[in-house]
Amino acid sequence: KAGVTQTPRYLIKTRGQQVTLSCSPISGHRSVSWYQQTPGQGLQFLFEYFSETQRNKGNFPGRFSGRQFSNSRSEMNVSTLELGDSALYLCASKRGLADYNEQFFGPGTRLTVL
Amino acid sequence: AQTVTQSQPEMSVQEAETVTLSCTYDTSESDYYLFWYKQPPSRQMILVIRQEAYKQQNATENRFSVNFQKAAKSFSLKISDSQLGDAAMYFCAYRSANKINDMRFGAGTRLTVKP
Repeated sequence: KAGVTQTPRYLIKTRGQQVTLSCSPISGHRSVSWYQQTPGQGLQFLFEYFSETQRNKGNFPGRFSGRQFSNSRSEMNVSTLELGDSALYLCASKRGLADYNEQFFGPGTRLTVL
Repeated sequence: AQTVTQSQPEMSVQEAETVTLSCTYDTSESDYYLFWYKQPPSRQMILVIRQEAYKQQNATENRFSVNFQKAAKSFSLKISDSQLGDAAMYFCAYRSANKINDMRFGAGTRLTVKP
């Protein structure tokens, strides 16, 4: 069974631009969560999607948004990029909202904002 | 708010020896889940072990075991017979059983295994 995949793996953007990151969950997984990982702030929860609906959102500005498609694939968008948005963005999938026990992470997308 | 603290930014262990990584957390809830995740240099995070707060018995997965002290809000990870492949960042995480999306991670501990 294929794992969680994220594209692209690396991305370089400049301030003010926008970016879209993609995540394909494990087949059969309907929940997709997004995290931002930085050396200073560590791992922070961005949002989770289930059945094409955002179920909860972390403490991030509205420039961070996402969506989920009917095939459970998810995209995350960051508009008006700032230098502080440079981070590793991790996506994780699990079977359902109530399936606390195991969340599978993707390899991440390394975003660099210049 | 729930916070997770890993007080050891870095740890090292000799191959085949045992090492314990510390984690404490702060919560007012009684029902929650605790996790240890491993993030090797390749960056793909994997689940090492999990513990349900309502279970008194400490979780064990092969060479990995936890010491869960609910009253002290402590959740340490013990790695026995350390192997070179254990070298990674280890993250302790807390997830509320009530707020299903409220997952908090510690800052991580970088474990080095010396041959």
